Amino acid sequence: EPEVTQTPSHQVTQMGQEVILRCVPISNHLYFYWYRQILGQKVEFLVSFYNNEISEKSEIFDDQFSVERPDGSNFTLKIRSTKLEDSAMYFCASSATGGDVTYGYTFGSGTRLTVV
Amino acid sequence: LAKTTQPISMDSYEGQEVNITCSHNNIATNDYITWYQQFPSQGPRFIIQGYKTKVTNEVASLFIPADRKSSTLSLPRVSLSDTAVYYCLVGDAGGGADGLTFGKGTHLIIQP
Repeated sequence: EPEVTQTPSHQVTQMGQEVILRCVPISNHLYFYWYRQILGQKVEFLVSFYNNEISEKSEIFDDQFSVERPDGSNFTLKIRSTKLEDSAMYFCASSATGGDVTYGYTFGSGTRLTVV
Repeated sequence: LAKTTQPISMDSYEGQEVNITCSHNNIATNDYITWYQQFPSQGPRFIIQGYKTKVTNEVASLFIPADRKSSTLSLPRVSLSDTAVYYCLVGDAGGGADGLTFGKGTHLIIQP
């Protein structure tokens, strides 16, 4: 079964530093997403990306966040100046047509970001 | 976006059938019902999706009554590894740009 791959699995960074979280979506998928889950809380939508541009973003996705698809395979989330409250699991997801009826959205295993 | 309500937690035993019901009174005509499963420190995993009546795949069944105001995820003969959080989501199956809205889900605990 195809997978969404995320690296690193765990990242520790100092407050104020920039971090880049990396994802390799499923190769024939067209929509890409980032979600986050603060420990013990709900999974929250951050941003969707299609045709090399942001399609939708939530209130959480403010100016300190950016996404990029630098080549044909990677999809990255950059947090410019991390804050303590950015500590969370970050999940990348992809879908074939924005929600394939058979397979839904495929999520990666996540990157646990710890800001100290 | 239709609001969903599901039990916060459920307990069952290995080998039993587990049914988790989700209420979605304000479901729209073009909304689909989708269930995801999440293990600790892992991303949600798609289980099943349906629009009406019954849908079955290799892991679960989804029962949707005619009024579509609720749905029931049925897990046959559960095992310890089915301990997870189960989310009921209602929305446009086409998804696209709109992100998924997850609730708190149902924490299912399977005991030996």
